[in-house]
Amino acid sequence: EIVLTQSPGTLSLSPGERAALSCRASQSVSRNYLTWYQQKPGQAPRLLIYGASSRATGIPDRFSGSGSGTDFTLTISRLEPEDFAVYYCQQYGSSPGTFGQGTKVEIK
Amino acid sequence: QVQLQESGPGLVRPSATLSLTCTVSGGSISTFYWSWIRQPPGKGLEWIAYVYYSGTTDYNPSLRSRITTVVDTSKSQFSLKLSSVTAADTAVYYCASLEPYGDPTMRWYWGPGILVTVSS
Repeated sequence: EIVLTQSPGTLSLSPGERAALSCRASQSVSRNYLTWYQQKPGQAPRLLIYGASSRATGIPDRFSGSGSGTDFTLTISRLEPEDFAVYYCQQYGSSPGTFGQGTKVEIK
Repeated sequence: QVQLQESGPGLVRPSATLSLTCTVSGGSISTFYWSWIRQPPGKGLEWIAYVYYSGTTDYNPSLRSRITTVVDTSKSQFSLKLSSVTAADTAVYYCASLEPYGDPTMRWYWGPGILVTVSS
């Protein structure tokens, strides 16, 4: 199965700053079928990005996804207070679909 | 709009079998790719099983010997049974569906999750 490694484990930033989260795959993700989720305590994961770069319905345009093959990035252009959360990537191009271990974005 | 809902007991005794059902609405029941995922308290997401419309299944190797999945397309439901549970199986369990399966724009839809606690 494909192993996804997210970095950094924790990102300490201030509101208004730019965040760049990395998701690296142990082998190429077929058709760039990679998803990013945001999760807050006590809530289910919220879909942000699918197909590596397509924003889900209702997701603000400060969230963007990029990358292909084995290297993917989620960028939050300017952090809002509600963006401090844990973010996960998931690949679904090869079975079984697998998850990264998560990156926590915390307030500095 | 695709919607999913997990159902089942919130408390299971150690060594018993955990049984959950996911009901899918608004999705395809002829071409589907359904999944069970769990999240232990304070930890990350762990895939449990994937079920294809063809009947093929993928089970997490660490859980394979204890997993059974059943699909009932007449009810748009799929279920998970996890046998011989221990406290380590305490988690929020989610079901998810990849829709429209096979389309380049396919994306995951998730249920709200159900907390299952293993305790005597």
